[in-house]
Amino acid sequence: GENVEQHPSTLSVQEGDSAVIKCTYSDSASNYFPWYKQELGKRPQLIIDIRSNVGEKKDQRIAVTLNKTAKHFSLHITETQPEDSAVYFCAASKGGSYIPTFGRGTSLIVHP
Amino acid sequence: KAGVTQTPRYLIKTRGQQVTLSCSPISGHRSVSWYQQTPGQGLQFLFEYFSETQRNKGNFPGRFSGRQFSNSRSEMNVSTLELGDSALYLCASRVDSQETQYFGPGTRLLVL
Repeated sequence: GENVEQHPSTLSVQEGDSAVIKCTYSDSASNYFPWYKQELGKRPQLIIDIRSNVGEKKDQRIAVTLNKTAKHFSLHITETQPEDSAVYFCAASKGGSYIPTFGRGTSLIVHP
Repeated sequence: KAGVTQTPRYLIKTRGQQVTLSCSPISGHRSVSWYQQTPGQGLQFLFEYFSETQRNKGNFPGRFSGRQFSNSRSEMNVSTLELGDSALYLCASRVDSQETQYFGPGTRLLVL
């Protein structure tokens, strides 16, 4: 089955810095890659996603890049703010089942 | 639209007991998936239901079961509880033709 590795497990940055979280996947048939943000005590919420026919997608301060050949994708957050502090999960799934396999999560801490 | 709701939000049980958790999906969503979230294992897929049928199943023992009703509401049951079943149980719903899942707030289960 699919295996998703996520790094780092913890990321500490100063407010205003950029943050990058990286994930690799094993199944070359995976074609949908969502990113979820989970604040403490709250539900995971989708923040951005990318499909395998696209190399990059941006939404304000958040961007995701995908390298299908290397089977890795990354989340980039620019100009980080304290409210960006949360656990971020990457996931990979493929058409048909759409059952995502999640990475272990990255705890992002943004210091004011 | 109202989001995904789960009841109860918190539960304390003792080893050997059984528990039933409930999930009401977003109106119009017929696919409901269940996940177990623990600090050590992250988000792990339990099963998915669609049109009252289990469509996909993860690698969990038979003590974990579920069902879906005609109104798409879903329940999951864990029998003969073990200490290791302590976790946050999340359900997620989606429109069948789309990949994006929307999570509920979760039920936090503590097994003593």
